Amino acid sequence: GAVVSQHPSRVICKSGTSVKIECRSLDFQATTMFWYRQFPKKSLMLMATSNEGSKATYEQGVEKDKFLINHASLTLSTLTVTSAHPEDSSFYICSAISGGLYEQYFGPGTRLTVT
Amino acid sequence: DQQVKQNSPSLSVQEGRISILNCDYTNSMFDYFLWYKKYPAEGPTFLISISSIKDKNEDGRFTVFLNKSAKHLSLHIVPSQPGDSAVYFCAAGRYNTGNQFYFGTGTSLTVIP
Repeated sequence: GAVVSQHPSRVICKSGTSVKIECRSLDFQATTMFWYRQFPKKSLMLMATSNEGSKATYEQGVEKDKFLINHASLTLSTLTVTSAHPEDSSFYICSAISGGLYEQYFGPGTRLTVT
Repeated sequence: DQQVKQNSPSLSVQEGRISILNCDYTNSMFDYFLWYKKYPAEGPTFLISISSIKDKNEDGRFTVFLNKSAKHLSLHIVPSQPGDSAVYFCAAGRYNTGNQFYFGTGTSLTVIP
């Protein structure tokens, strides 16, 4: 099946710094990638939809200047959490689809802890 | 506003018995539905899907039923195995909106050996 990787798997950063999370589709070209955030015992919350070569579409309530998304190629999307605060601590998951595929393939997630 | 709901946060089932996980949605425009399985600290894994033109889809031990009039779908696992213990998310979306899916809050299934 399709494989999606994320890097890093865990990151701890200090408040006020920025953190970049990478999402890669390893064996297929992803026309669209999604970024989710999961709070403890909560649903996956869709943050933004990212299409290669165009600006990401953010969900209502998600700050686009705080969560910068770049989908530079058909196999790579990045999420940068800028000026991170402790309330940004969460589990961030990306997913990817290819044209014609309706199942999203998820990465393993990144645990962000802001101290 | 939660468009996809899983009202049972947890479920325990004996090994070999049937597990039934339920999901309700509010948006009648949704026409594609999926179930995902998730282990702690991992991303969800696709299990099975169903489109609105069907009311049942079966894949091995997993069967998904869709009741459009009730806006309800369910996942049946028969027979349940200890390895099925995980959190199960249902998701719903529309074909023509860029495959943007909305997820339920998940049901934690424990299969007791």
